Amino acid sequence: DGGITQSPKYLFRKEGQNVTLSCEQNLNHDAMYWYRQDPGQGLRLIYYSQIVNDFQKGDIAEGYSVSREKKESFPLTVTSAQKNPTAFYLCASSPFTGGVYEQYFGPGTRLTVT
Amino acid sequence: KQEVTQIPAALSVPEGENLVLNCSFTDSAIYNLQWFRQDPGKGLTSLLLIQSSQREQTSGRLNASLDKSSGRSTLYIAASQPGDSATYLCAVTAGNQFYFGTGTSLTVIP
Repeated sequence: DGGITQSPKYLFRKEGQNVTLSCEQNLNHDAMYWYRQDPGQGLRLIYYSQIVNDFQKGDIAEGYSVSREKKESFPLTVTSAQKNPTAFYLCASSPFTGGVYEQYFGPGTRLTVT
Repeated sequence: KQEVTQIPAALSVPEGENLVLNCSFTDSAIYNLQWFRQDPGKGLTSLLLIQSSQREQTSGRLNASLDKSSGRSTLYIAASQPGDSATYLCAVTAGNQFYFGTGTSLTVIP
């Protein structure tokens, strides 16, 4: 089945530790995105990538880092510099071709930092 | 910058009622508009995509309309069911980014 997988579903870390969230897609999509979702707020864009080995900062990139070494993978690292990392993280992909930009989402990872 | 607003933030209706969810956006220069459903603790599931050249899309009991000139979209749900209870989000594509509303939380009461 084609889709987007995120792992793990739940992640717990101590303050001061870096943590990496996994996102893999087998839809052959060019573009991939990371969003953060907090209660009562909309989705906020952290980083996005349209092609391999290239990515751009979104609205709230501070304290996060990404890599795009393979088309199907776009891992997100939450660093100790992120002041309030506890949130629900969503990965998405889009074919980004032909003028029809439809996004597909993974199931999300809930990160809790104490 | 594009801003997307969804009103109301929450809606409660009895089962069987038809309902309309609203989405408005500030810049009409969009590629398309997408409606999503999100269940608690889950990712977003795409419901309907309306391209900028289209006026509406239908899928089963769902009908979404788009009026670019006025910056509005509506999602019409016919004969609502308890299983429709979820948060509904709209998103517009502009430039190379997607802009999301904060969603409408729908509760359908049996």
